[in-house]
Amino acid sequence: AQKITQTQPGMFVQEKEAVTLDCTYDTSDPSYGLFWYKQPSSGEMIFLIYQGSYDQQNATEGRYSLNFQKARKSANLVISASQLGDSAMYFCAMREPFNTGGFKTIFGAGTRLFVKA
Amino acid sequence: EADIYQTPRYLVIGTGKKITLECSQTMGHDKMYWYQQDPGMELHLIHYSYGVNSTEKGDLSSESTVSRIRTEHFPLTLESARPSHTSQYLCASSETSVNTEAFFGQGTRLTVV
Repeated sequence: AQKITQTQPGMFVQEKEAVTLDCTYDTSDPSYGLFWYKQPSSGEMIFLIYQGSYDQQNATEGRYSLNFQKARKSANLVISASQLGDSAMYFCAMREPFNTGGFKTIFGAGTRLFVKA
Repeated sequence: EADIYQTPRYLVIGTGKKITLECSQTMGHDKMYWYQQDPGMELHLIHYSYGVNSTEKGDLSSESTVSRIRTEHFPLTLESARPSHTSQYLCASSETSVNTEAFFGQGTRLTVV
C-alpha cells in the first residue's frame, strides 16, 4: 500500500507566485516525521523542511512552509515567491519505524515543478 | 553542507563486471541507507544499516550487497553488473530519531552497457 502519495506529477507556476505541492500519508504510528526534499537536475537530495507529528504549529523555513493537517493526513508544501531556481523535483517523505529497530525514510513519487519566467 | 560523499559520481561499465559504489560520512551517524532511483522516479530503499556489522534488505529487492565494517563507510557491491542495474544510487545517513532528516550524498549514476 502506498504510504506517501503525491498526486501531482508536474506543476507549473509563474515566477514570484506561490505554489502548493500536495502530499498525503498513511501511518498507524502516533510518532512520525514528515519531510520535504528538493532534487535538482544534478541529482542530489536537498532537505527543505520538517514537521513532527506532535508539532502544534506548521513548520516554516524561509520561503517554504508546510501546511500540516493531521486529521486529513496531509502535509502540503507551500513555496512562496517562486524563483527560477525552484524548478526541480520535490519529494515528500516520512520517517517510520524499521522492523528491526531504528527508523527509515520512505518517499513519495515526487512532483516536478516548473517555474516560468 | 552535509558531510557524506559518494564515489564515483558517474560510472559506465560493461555487463558482467564487478563494481563497488563507495559511500562515506563523517557525521558519526549509526544509520546508513542505500536508495535506488530511476530518472524522474521515486526513491526505493534497497539496503539499510543501523550500525557496524548490521545490515538489512530494504523494501525493494536488489541483487547488490552491502557491508558495514566501519561506522563511516557503507559500500555497495554488484558482483556481476547487468543493464537492468542502470540507475542512480543514493547513499544517506541519519541520527537515530524519528524527527531528524536523512543527509544524502550526491549520488552515483550507473550505466551498464
